[in-house]
Amino acid sequence: EAGVTQFPSHSVIEKGQTVTLRCDPISGHDNLYWYRRVMGKEIKFLLHFVKESKQDESGMPNNRFLAERTGGTYSTLKVQPAELEDSGVYFCASSATGKKAKNIQYFGAGTRLSVL
Amino acid sequence: DAKTTQPPSMDCAEGRAANLPCNHSTISGNEYVYWYRQIHSQGPQYIIHGLKNNETNEMASLIITEDRKSSTLILPHATLRDTAVYYCIVKLTGGGNKLTFGTGTQLKVEL
Repeated sequence: EAGVTQFPSHSVIEKGQTVTLRCDPISGHDNLYWYRRVMGKEIKFLLHFVKESKQDESGMPNNRFLAERTGGTYSTLKVQPAELEDSGVYFCASSATGKKAKNIQYFGAGTRLSVL
Repeated sequence: DAKTTQPPSMDCAEGRAANLPCNHSTISGNEYVYWYRQIHSQGPQYIIHGLKNNETNEMASLIITEDRKSSTLILPHATLRDTAVYYCIVKLTGGGNKLTFGTGTQLKVEL
């Protein structure tokens, strides 16, 4: 069974440009999360989807970030326009629903974003 | 979610048990203790979780004190591949709850 996959693994863009990160969760997982770690800081929650609906977007830093999950499968996180402070590693995670799932989140390897 | 406190770093000899402590004195009755780790350049990886009983799986054991104010993650026979940052996270279980990562413990396993 494939795990959580993220694309690209690394993106280098200039300030002001747009970047779109993609996450494919484990098949059948209704819950999808985005996290990020910026330089020297802790991993921080960004938002949580249940299927195609945003359940919690309290961690989204500002309106330059737009997350979508059309059809409840893969998700994209767009940063427009990118700023220097957006540099970091963006992680996606997914989890199944139900008591047996124990809310274990499975993480992808992350996308390293460098804004120059 | 309750706050956790972990030592910033620990060393362990390969083949020996690694015992990683975590304090969570403000944990509430329905909060679980989860452990994740992040090996360099990889995403966080789930290890184990528990409520009040000790738990064991193929990766580790989790010992939770009777008052639930602290816990210890035990890697019984640490290998070099266990070198990672280990995170103790207290949270409600149930679908969809976010993980709140602290600074964790950097475990270094050496020959």
